[in-house]
Amino acid sequence: EAGVAQSPRYKIIEKRQSVAFWCNPISGHATLYWYQQILGQGPKLLIQFQNNGVVDDSQLPKDRFSAERLKGVDSTLKIQPAKLEDSAVYLCASSLDPYNEQFFGPGTRLTVL
Amino acid sequence: AQTVTQSQPEMSVQEAETVTLSCTYDTSESDYYLFWYKQPPSRQMILVIRQEAYKQQNATENRFSVNFQKAAKSFSLKISDSQLGDAAMYFCAYRSGSGTYKYIFGTGTRLKVLA
Repeated sequence: EAGVAQSPRYKIIEKRQSVAFWCNPISGHATLYWYQQILGQGPKLLIQFQNNGVVDDSQLPKDRFSAERLKGVDSTLKIQPAKLEDSAVYLCASSLDPYNEQFFGPGTRLTVL
Repeated sequence: AQTVTQSQPEMSVQEAETVTLSCTYDTSESDYYLFWYKQPPSRQMILVIRQEAYKQQNATENRFSVNFQKAAKSFSLKISDSQLGDAAMYFCAYRSGSGTYKYIFGTGTRLKVLA
């Protein structure tokens, strides 16, 4: 069974530029999570989808971050404009439903210069 | 609000020895789950073990076991017969048993295994 796929794996941008990350969850997984993991910290949930609906986005900086999950499968996370403090690894995870184990992708390492 | 605290930024253990990683949490909920995740260098995070709060029996998965002290809100991970492949960041996590089932992670403990 294929795991959670993410792209790109690495991205370097200048501050104030825009960037987008893509996630393809495990087939059949209804729940999808985006986490931000700053160096030296644990993952922080940015947004959680159930199918194509948002369950929790309380920690998503909505003035610059946006996410969507069209058709309840793939998801994209966008940052516009990026700030230096957005440098982090962005992890995508999916699970069959909110009660089951979540499986993580390899992450996208973002560096904002 | 729920919090998870890992007070050991780094731990070392000799190969074949036993090590215990500490985690404390704070919550007012009665229904919740606790997890230990492993994040090897440049590799994906994987679930090591989980504990349901309503279960008194401590969870065990092969060489990994937990010491769940509900009243003290403590959830430590014991790794027995440590192997070189156990070297990784270990994160303790909390998940509510209702509502959005949101996960909250600790800051992690880096485990080094010495040959």
